[in-house]
Amino acid sequence: EPEVTQTPSHQVTQMGQEVILRCVPISNHLYFYWYRQILGQKVEFLVSFYNNEISEKSEIFDDQFSVERPDGSNFTLKIRSTKLEDSAMYFCASSEGQTQYFGAGTRLSVL
Amino acid sequence: AQSVTQPDIHITVSEGASLELRCNYSYGATPYLFWYVQSPGQGLQLLLKYFSGDTLVQGIKGFEAEFKRSQSSFNLRKPSVHWSDAAEYFCAVATPILTGGGNKLTFGTGTQLKVEL
Repeated sequence: EPEVTQTPSHQVTQMGQEVILRCVPISNHLYFYWYRQILGQKVEFLVSFYNNEISEKSEIFDDQFSVERPDGSNFTLKIRSTKLEDSAMYFCASSEGQTQYFGAGTRLSVL
Repeated sequence: AQSVTQPDIHITVSEGASLELRCNYSYGATPYLFWYVQSPGQGLQLLLKYFSGDTLVQGIKGFEAEFKRSQSSFNLRKPSVHWSDAAEYFCAVATPILTGGGNKLTFGTGTQLKVEL
């Protein structure tokens, strides 16, 4: 069964450092998403990506964040200068229509 | 704005007992509704979805959910719970993204299910 793959499963970084979270969406899917879940809080939408551009972003997704589909398979989330409050589980999702399928997540710990 | 409420933060049931997890949504149009499950260390797995048609939808692992427009609810049920069902359950409503298609999900806070043997 096809699945969304995220790497790494856990990333530890120092405050102010750049991190790149990687995702391989399901191969025939057209829409790509990032969500995050701060410990003890709701899963929150960050950004959606279609046809090589951002189609919608939340107010959380400020200039410190960027997304890219560098080749035909990967979808990345970059945080330029991490803050303590960026510590969270980050989920990638993909869909071909209305149903999103999620990866296992990357736990980002900012020290 | 759309929102999802899951009133029960924690629920404990005995193995073999029936289960109902509550979900209420707020959305102006006909909603697309989902239930996802998250086991420890795992991602969000889709249990079932409702788009239109029959208001009782069947999902994986023996789960079902009923859409009730009059009550703005989409409660998840299972007739007999297994110990492996212990996990966190999330209800979500989809909002269409007008530029470019697709949708974004608004999640509830989740219900943590504990199963007693």
